[in-house]
Amino acid sequence: DTGVSQDPRHKITKRGQNVTFRCDPISEHNRLYWYRQTLGQGPEFLTYFQNEAQLEKSRLLSDRFSAERPKGSFSTLEIQRTEQGDSAMYLCASSLGGTGSGGDTQYFGPGTRLTVL
Amino acid sequence: AQSVTQLDSQVPVFEEAPVELRCNYSSSVSVYLFWYVQYPNQGLQLLLKYLSGSTLVESINGFEAEFNKSQTSFHLRKPSVHISDTAEYFCAVSFLGRSGGSYIPTFGRGTSLIVHP
Repeated sequence: DTGVSQDPRHKITKRGQNVTFRCDPISEHNRLYWYRQTLGQGPEFLTYFQNEAQLEKSRLLSDRFSAERPKGSFSTLEIQRTEQGDSAMYLCASSLGGTGSGGDTQYFGPGTRLTVL
Repeated sequence: AQSVTQLDSQVPVFEEAPVELRCNYSSSVSVYLFWYVQYPNQGLQLLLKYLSGSTLVESINGFEAEFNKSQTSFHLRKPSVHISDTAEYFCAVSFLGRSGGSYIPTFGRGTSLIVHP
């Protein structure tokens, strides 16, 4: 168990550019979550995968955001045409959970800090 | 929308004093309740959780939380804190998502516990 890893750890980009982040979950975990966290706030849910299926997306999630988990293992989060308001820490978490259950313990990665200039 | 409220953004206490970190949530239907902790320069990790059964749950390092359904609260307490407890504490509640098939974690904004010698 090597834990949840995220790459890159830091990303600085100019407004209007596209960025992509990667998350590698704990190997046997079937669930994967993406969150956004800004200063002084808790993690805000963005989207969630059960294996390769994207089951929930936040209604606050702009169409510029897209996430994939093609083979039920690693996941990518892409932000198109970045805006300054996208600057935040992007967190990934994974867990092992059964269908319809909500009590799984999430294991968080270190996050990717995005700065949009 | 479902919400989680942590009224105290910062709680300063002296070492060996008792502490309570408050958490209230908006729904009275079945939910799953968590406290996560983030130590300085580390990622979020689970402290304790309530799924069902006894309303009092304990962690291995002396924290406890009590689920109060009528008050929709899940306050975190410790009878005697240590310097090493200095950290950010996040209350999280899993609510049933819009699709009705998945539980979505919602985090509070966090409470910074600062333990002074």
